[in-house]
Amino acid sequence: NAGVMQNPRHLVRRRGQEARLRCSPVKGHSHVYWYRQLPEEGLKFMVYLQKENIIDESGMPKERFSAEFPKEGPSILRIQQVVRGDSAAYFCASSPLGTGDSPLHFGNGTRLTVT
Amino acid sequence: KQEVTQIPAALSVPEGENLVLNCSFTDSAIYNLQWFRQDPGKGLTSLLLIQSSQREQTSGRLNASLDKSSGRSTLYIAASQPGDSATYLCAVNSGSGNTGKLIFGQGTTLQVKP
Repeated sequence: NAGVMQNPRHLVRRRGQEARLRCSPVKGHSHVYWYRQLPEEGLKFMVYLQKENIIDESGMPKERFSAEFPKEGPSILRIQQVVRGDSAAYFCASSPLGTGDSPLHFGNGTRLTVT
Repeated sequence: KQEVTQIPAALSVPEGENLVLNCSFTDSAIYNLQWFRQDPGKGLTSLLLIQSSQREQTSGRLNASLDKSSGRSTLYIAASQPGDSATYLCAVNSGSGNTGKLIFGQGTTLQVKP
């Protein structure tokens, strides 16, 4: 049973380019969460999605960031026109339930470096 | 606004010691609390989940307690081993439990020396 798969593991982008981070949840999980871990900081919630719906994007920067979780395929976190401050580890987590009753299953993260 | 704090930020102990990691949260109205382990360059592994109605949970050498009224949780590790070396994260589900959204502390980095 594969866990949460994130790719790429490492991503290097120059300032102004776009970054696309992919997350395949545990099979059968229809709830996906994205978190960001900045250097020397804790994990911060970004967005919560169900299939084809954004449920809570209160932690997402208002500009340049977007997320989707289509009916088929992985969840995508997209960062347009990246800046150095976007350098961080981005983690995806999935859950079979939309409530807090089930532990989240985390992927190994994508480490984004903006040069 | 809920804030989660973990003390100490780092801890180094000799192998075999029992140890306690601390987590505090500012708003006692939580749905549940989770402890995670994070190894360098890896994701998070869920260790224990305590519902707000529970006082403690145990898994092997790990025991987590929850005192909602005082806004505290502890993770007790018995007979520590070098393989326990990792960063331990505490996270609260601070809402009504209708989502899995978590608020994390900054973690305690544990080193267990052989």
